[in-house]
Amino acid sequence: QVQLQESGPGLLKPSETLSLTCTVSGGSISSHYWSWIRQPPGKGLEWIGYVYSSGTTNYNPSLKSRVTVSVDTAKKQFSLQLSSVIAADTALYYCARVFSDPIIPAAFDIWGQGTMVTVSS
Amino acid sequence: QSALTQPRSVSGSPGQSVTISCTGTSSDVGGYNYVSWYQQSPGKAPKVIIYDVNKRPSGVPDRFSGSKSGNTASLTISGLQPEDETDYYCCSYSGSFVFGTGTKVTVL
Repeated sequence: QVQLQESGPGLLKPSETLSLTCTVSGGSISSHYWSWIRQPPGKGLEWIGYVYSSGTTNYNPSLKSRVTVSVDTAKKQFSLQLSSVIAADTALYYCARVFSDPIIPAAFDIWGQGTMVTVSS
Repeated sequence: QSALTQPRSVSGSPGQSVTISCTGTSSDVGGYNYVSWYQQSPGKAPKVIIYDVNKRPSGVPDRFSGSKSGNTASLTISGLQPEDETDYYCCSYSGSFVFGTGTKVTVL
């Protein structure tokens, strides 16, 4: 059974770069899309971006200029970098596996538990 | 890319049916059959309950059903149960993903 676990710093200062890693266990990282999604406290979900196991990426247009999602298949990890963070980037960050139908990204079928990131001076 | 529009809240008595709407545009919900729905209990990660507009993952009760008409997708919960009281989000893929604003379901 595939499980995802996020890791990374929980507190950042404005203008710093957020870096999170998601480790995949119990299954293969190959031939799948992997995504990051965030949820500010008390608010809704926002898709950040995804990476295919080959390295192909796709980002939310509203975050594209600050986001990089990458994959390391050997380590069975994928990562998120968000530059120049501000207070509005404070959120619970989830990593998730993307279900493909059959090759089109269609839904998020497996989620990590989420990791809280706070941006504060 | 604007969030899909959902009602802030819906409510119903146990055993009744409730429907949550998810309104987008012809560029997202209306243009593709990649609408999914997620149930999020407090303090938990979301869980997919509907994908491809109307398909249920294994293990999801058949009282959850999805449909779409034009630019609006809908999630219907039939035979409402107390444990269904939580938050629900729709999501659409149209070259990129966009989530709905979220709906709180209350069981009266």
